[in-house]
Amino acid sequence: AQKITQTQPGMFVQEKEAVTLDCTYDTSDPSYGLFWYKQPSSGEMIFLIYQGSYDQQNATEGRYSLNFQKARKSANLVISASQLGDSAMYFCAMTHHFGNEKLTFGTGTRLTIIP
Amino acid sequence: NAGVTQTPKFRILKIGQSMTLQCTQDMNHNYMYWYRQDPGMGLKLIYYSVGAGITDKGEVPNGYNVSRSTTEDFPLRLELAAPSQTSVYFCASRDRDRRVWFFGPGTRLTVL
Repeated sequence: AQKITQTQPGMFVQEKEAVTLDCTYDTSDPSYGLFWYKQPSSGEMIFLIYQGSYDQQNATEGRYSLNFQKARKSANLVISASQLGDSAMYFCAMTHHFGNEKLTFGTGTRLTIIP
Repeated sequence: NAGVTQTPKFRILKIGQSMTLQCTQDMNHNYMYWYRQDPGMGLKLIYYSVGAGITDKGEVPNGYNVSRSTTEDFPLRLELAAPSQTSVYFCASRDRDRRVWFFGPGTRLTVL
């Protein structure tokens, strides 16, 4: 069974600082994908970044990067130069590439950016 | 493309009432999903479908039913609403590429 753990219920970060949101996962499948989603107060799910288990390099999308440490089974999201608009809930999620068709979510981290 | 649409946006039900949450996608995706999100929590899978006529249970299926008679539509049925079903319900779809998921805007349901 796949499991996603996010141990930080909430974080407060000063504007313009970098922030790291933690995510660890548990799977015995060698082929899987990891996602980060942002959920602002308006409620929609916004895709941020994806990392495949066989990808050689860490994924980056603008100010977002994914610190993928396969041996540790961690997939931390790094947001550089945080902005007030980054205040939101952030979810880590995982899917397997064969067989299991589901996307499994962690419990989320509420990030608040302080001006 | 409209993407994934959900109706209604909001609904208040009394205990024991029934309702259907509608989900439609216009991207010809085979895979469709229903999730629920309780306050301050992550999304939990209720049911999913890998194609028309094929559905399967997720993590929290009790109290819900689904059907998939067409590729486009994946309605979620609540037969006897209970306060524990107060939640935000998200429908999602994807194509064969598991890297790209599309989420609807959600339906906020309150059962009193």
